[in-house]
Amino acid sequence: AQKVTQAQTEISVVEKEDVTLDCVYETRDTTYYLFWYKQPPSGELVFLIRRNSFDEQNEISGRYSWNFQKSTSSFNFTITASQVVDSAVYFCALSESTAGYSSASKIIFGSGTRLSIRP
Amino acid sequence: NAGVTQTPKFQVLKTGQSMTLQCAQDMNHEYMSWYRQDPGMGLRLIHYSVGAGITDQGEVPNGYNVSRSTTEDFPLRLLSAAPSQTSVYFCASSYRQGVQETQYFGPGTRLLVL
Repeated sequence: AQKVTQAQTEISVVEKEDVTLDCVYETRDTTYYLFWYKQPPSGELVFLIRRNSFDEQNEISGRYSWNFQKSTSSFNFTITASQVVDSAVYFCALSESTAGYSSASKIIFGSGTRLSIRP
Repeated sequence: NAGVTQTPKFQVLKTGQSMTLQCAQDMNHEYMSWYRQDPGMGLRLIHYSVGAGITDQGEVPNGYNVSRSTTEDFPLRLLSAAPSQTSVYFCASSYRQGVQETQYFGPGTRLLVL
């Protein structure tokens, strides 16, 4: 069965610190997709990244980076030099897709990590 | 582009009433989906569509119907509202370019069923 675990319920750091959000997943499929989403206090949802199971290269986008390790079934998200605007709930998610679009099958979300950046 | 729009933003229903949550996107995306988010939880997929005329069930489809007569619109119908359907509903659309896929969300509809 699919499962996504975000063990860190809340994290609070001071601005400019680096912070890593952990995500551990379970799946029996060899083909799957992993996602991260951001939900700021305003409530909207922002798609951050999708990674397929065959691509273990780390991804960097500005201050954001993602570390995908199949050996430990983890897909961790690091924010470097955090800013107050990074304060949000972050969700990790998993999809086992057999269709052309990864979103076209059940996406399982983790329970989220609430990140607070203190000035 | 307006992106993904949802109406209404907030709705109160009585148990047993029916209503339709509207979702539209102007980006010509083939794939659209509906999620619900309950307090303190992640999203759960209700229904999705991979193109006009094609819909399928997600994780929690009971009590909801969808149709996709055009690429732009993907309404979600609550047949007979129940208090358990009190939630925030998000519509999303996505497109794929090669191996990359990008997803866009609407602002959400907050639904309260009394």
